[in-house]
Amino acid sequence: GAVVSQHPSWVICKSGTSVKIECRSLDFQATTMFWYRQFPKQSLMLMATSNEGSKATYEQGVEKDKFLINHASLTLSTLTVTSAHPEDSSFYICSARTLYDPRGETQYFGPGTRLLVL
Amino acid sequence: GENVEQHPSTLSVQEGDSAVIKCTYSDSASNYFPWYKQELGKRPQLIIDIRSNVGEKKDQRIAVTLNKTAKHFSLHITETQPEDSAVYFCAARSLYNTDKLIFGTGTRLQVFP
Repeated sequence: GAVVSQHPSWVICKSGTSVKIECRSLDFQATTMFWYRQFPKQSLMLMATSNEGSKATYEQGVEKDKFLINHASLTLSTLTVTSAHPEDSSFYICSARTLYDPRGETQYFGPGTRLLVL
Repeated sequence: GENVEQHPSTLSVQEGDSAVIKCTYSDSASNYFPWYKQELGKRPQLIIDIRSNVGEKKDQRIAVTLNKTAKHFSLHITETQPEDSAVYFCAARSLYNTDKLIFGTGTRLQVFP
């Protein structure tokens, strides 16, 4: 149980284009989803927290107009990197949490999406 | 703000030896401390966690200890195996901001056969 999927697993795009990444909880309802960014050999940096049906809460220094987050249902959140540039190239990982079970504090991670902007 | 320090950044051990990774947190209101294992190019996987009302927790070869007074918690892996090789992240969550996990910087563990 508690499986989180991400799509696509990797994407290459040209500078200036927008890229959408999907995060789905497959067998549970995710009341909260998180988006992280991870640079090579570095830790997980939280970008934003999204609760279903409400606006995402962005961490300091993360541009909300650049990284658009939508959490339209209890099983799907999307991250759109708008007007992507080479410096946006990174590994983006989502995680999901449900408060509907006793271990509601656990975050379950997706497999990540590797973005390369040329 | 909240901060979690993790040491060492790299750790090499011989198969069968023990490995210990230590973390220190800054927010005294932290009450939940998970440990994640991330293999190369893969997702972080929760391997064990501990809550602030417990001092130690064990699951087979893995154990976690918590010292609330010193704001330290540690991961102990005994009888290490090559498949334990991965990056390990500690994290802490505040009682007053239950949404966020603050992650440590990671420890790259290599177990040599």
